[in-house]
Amino acid sequence: NAGVTQTPKFRVLKTGQSMTLLCAQDMNHEYMYWYRQDPGMGLRLIHYSVGEGTTAKGEVPDGYNVSRLKKQNFLLGLESAAPSQTSVYFCASSYETGDYQPQHFGDGTRLSIL
Amino acid sequence: AQTVTQSQPEMSVQEAETVTLSCTYDTSESDYYLFWYKQPPSRQMILVIRQEAYKQQNATENRFSVNFQKAAKSFSLKISDSQLGDAAMYFCSQGGSEKLVFGKGTKLTVNP
Repeated sequence: NAGVTQTPKFRVLKTGQSMTLLCAQDMNHEYMYWYRQDPGMGLRLIHYSVGEGTTAKGEVPDGYNVSRLKKQNFLLGLESAAPSQTSVYFCASSYETGDYQPQHFGDGTRLSIL
Repeated sequence: AQTVTQSQPEMSVQEAETVTLSCTYDTSESDYYLFWYKQPPSRQMILVIRQEAYKQQNATENRFSVNFQKAAKSFSLKISDSQLGDAAMYFCSQGGSEKLVFGKGTKLTVNP
């Protein structure tokens, strides 16, 4: 069972470059989330989606964009990467948050911006 | 606004002993749920235990149990008979109608 798959696992970018992180889940989950994890900060929500075609801002959305064109995929984009976006990024999904379902996490993407 | 506070950045325990990790939260929602996640050095986020707010009985999963005090908005995790494999970052989280909010984590060290 694949669960939640994040692509790529590691990436190094130069300041100003753009890239897209891909999250794919095969559990038919409605809800999907992007977090970033920084030392001493825990996990902070960037953007989330409550269904295909929907997106919403989380706690730290600036500098990121997302799209949920297909139910199983949730893309996180950095249009112009900045060193402050160096972090570990996690994608998660859940069947329905209000239904007491825990989130299932991918293995993370380590992104370094030089 | 939802907030989750873990007041212990680091904790240590002797193998086979018991340790309790603290967590407090704040939410305006009446229906919510709480989780503890474990993150070992492999970076995976692993669900340890969960609790629905309307349930008075404390959740238990093998060596892991919680002390849920709804009025005090407290949700501590007790690990009994600690094992070397329990060494990890532990995150408390509180979920509402759409979002899950995480604390900053507690790093647990298990000494042999």
